[in-house]
Amino acid sequence: EIVMTQIPLSSPVTLGQPASISCRSSQSLVHSDGNTYLSWLLQRPGQPPRLLIYTISNRFSGVPDRFSGSGAGTDFTLKISRVEAEDVGVYYCMQTTQFPWTFGQGTKVEIK
Amino acid sequence: QVQLQESGPGLVKPSETLSLTCTVSGHSISSAYYWGWIRQPPGKGLEWIGSIYQSGSTYYNPSLKSRVTISVDTSKNQFSLKLSSVTAADTAVYYCASTLRAPNDYWGQGTLVTVSS
Repeated sequence: EIVMTQIPLSSPVTLGQPASISCRSSQSLVHSDGNTYLSWLLQRPGQPPRLLIYTISNRFSGVPDRFSGSGAGTDFTLKISRVEAEDVGVYYCMQTTQFPWTFGQGTKVEIK
Repeated sequence: QVQLQESGPGLVKPSETLSLTCTVSGHSISSAYYWGWIRQPPGKGLEWIGSIYQSGSTYYNPSLKSRVTISVDTSKNQFSLKLSSVTAADTAVYYCASTLRAPNDYWGQGTLVTVSS
């Protein structure tokens, strides 16, 4: 099983300032088809998770361009260029390269 | 617009079988890559339970594999989850999710299932 580790687990941020979350996998997420199936999801309080980013850096439909993803192999980053109030919640990375699909522990983003 | 909605009992007794259904609207259940289930114990993180591929192949979390069955009913545009021999540790919000164009791109609102006598 691929273990996903997120850093930090909690991130107080200032509105309008950037934020960054790191995700590391215990083994490479490069699939045999050449793609890297690393996603980022946001779970706002009281809501189901919502897909933000897939295959490292592709924004899902309707996701603002202040969200960006980067990385390769085993190290990945989600960046928010300027945090807005609606960005508060728990962010999860998830790998779907290999079964069982696994999630990171989650990073709670809150406003200072 | 794709929508998923979970349904099923909110309370299940220990040792019994948890049964949930996910009804899909706005998309044919026959034309997705995967349909799956994910759960979240109260106050905790997300756990992938399993997924069913368009071919009918199923993939389960090894930690639950002996107790889980996921199936599709194309006539009703639904897929379902059965989890047998439940204990209090299975108390969680259960989500259904699709993989149409990207992994877990659409989610249901979730349904809380409590295991208690």
